[in-house]
Amino acid sequence: KNQVEQSPQSLIILEGKNCTLQCNYTVSPFSNLRWYKQDTGRGPVSLTIMTFSENTKSNGRYTATLDADTKQSSLHITASQLSDSASYICVIREQTGANNLFFGTGTRLTVIP
Amino acid sequence: DADVTQTPRNRITKTGKRIMLECSQTKGHDRMYWYRQDPGLGLRLIYYSFDVKDINKGEISDGYSVSRQAQAKFSLSLESAIPNQTALYFCATESRANTGELFFGEGSRLTVL
Repeated sequence: KNQVEQSPQSLIILEGKNCTLQCNYTVSPFSNLRWYKQDTGRGPVSLTIMTFSENTKSNGRYTATLDADTKQSSLHITASQLSDSASYICVIREQTGANNLFFGTGTRLTVIP
Repeated sequence: DADVTQTPRNRITKTGKRIMLECSQTKGHDRMYWYRQDPGLGLRLIYYSFDVKDINKGEISDGYSVSRQAQAKFSLSLESAIPNQTALYFCATESRANTGELFFGEGSRLTVL
């Protein structure tokens, strides 16, 4: 069964610190992997996209990495800001006829002053 | 104005009532989706449509129905609401390019008493 598991479920960090969120998956093969940011009470918004052949992708202070051998992706946030407080969701599109999307349950990040 | 608009944003109703959640988009995308989000479960697909005459069930379609009235409009109906349908509902669009990027609405919070 295709699965996407994220860890930790929740995380609290001090403003200015770095953090790394994890996404382990079994979806294979896949066409792309995205990280979304979901602010409280809002819809998710795409942060980064990586294809199967890419190892890293950056978007400002957000850097996503992909290790296809271990089937892991991580999202690294540098110099966190209060506005980074949100849920971060890993989403993978399978590369089969159905092209289904598989969602992780997300990591809830809280940045405190 | 938002590219993907959901109405209503909040709704409280009673068991057995018929409820319709509406979604309209100005992005010109062919593909539209309805998801529900529950704490700890992440986003789950209810129904999706790749074109005006195309309707497909997702993983949790029981108790729901949809209508794709036009390319820009996709509505979700609960014919007889029950308390376990209390959730946050999201409409999303995607271009035909199948890049995997979903554009979400702001969400509709439904409470069934």
